[in-house]
Amino acid sequence: DTAVSQTPKYLVTQMGNDKSIKCEQNLGHDTMYWYKQDSKKFLKIMFSYNNKELIINETVPNRFSPKSPDKAHLNLHINSLELGDSAVYFCASSQDIRAQGTQYFGPGTRLTVL
Amino acid sequence: GQNIDQPTEMTATEGAIVQINCTYQTSGFNGLFWYQQHAGEAPTFLSYNVLDGLEEKGRFSSFLSRSKGYSYLLLKELQMKDSASYLCAVRSGLKAAGNKLTFGGGTRVLVKP
Repeated sequence: DTAVSQTPKYLVTQMGNDKSIKCEQNLGHDTMYWYKQDSKKFLKIMFSYNNKELIINETVPNRFSPKSPDKAHLNLHINSLELGDSAVYFCASSQDIRAQGTQYFGPGTRLTVL
Repeated sequence: GQNIDQPTEMTATEGAIVQINCTYQTSGFNGLFWYQQHAGEAPTFLSYNVLDGLEEKGRFSSFLSRSKGYSYLLLKELQMKDSASYLCAVRSGLKAAGNKLTFGGGTRVLVKP
């Protein structure tokens, strides 16, 4: 019954590795997002997709590449991981891209880069 | 750009009332959200204001003044389970920005017995 799910919940890896985080929503929403929450608890938008189309692409290193195989899934692939990438990554979804869409968040993936 | 300010931390007693203020300066405005986030968990939606005034939802109320760039979240009859961070978020009014939310740093509320 989980509305927005992410895997894995925890990810510990070495610098320089490539890793992926998966996100799925079963709410029938059209729009999905990736956020990063750093150690100071600031939650910042990274990307959003609407019906598999990239809508928002904030100033994020190109080592981060989102992929949306269908509108229920938005995965995040990170190449050449760096220490500064350590954070909690949240996936979210909303009904659509219009102003009325409340965003619902997944449980988060805590990424630790050693 | 967007700038959103809220206090870092507040402490209150069980059964009391706490008011969390949020001020914002944005290049566009199309609504303000409040989210609750318990430690180690996802943010969960609490309230939404797009017009001036007070929105009440049980023990929680949220107020908005667009002319002042100001909102507050009021938590009444505080319970221990209300100990959490409360995030203020502003939605951009820019069409190209889609449904982009910009979050404040959050206010950590500690409820004491």
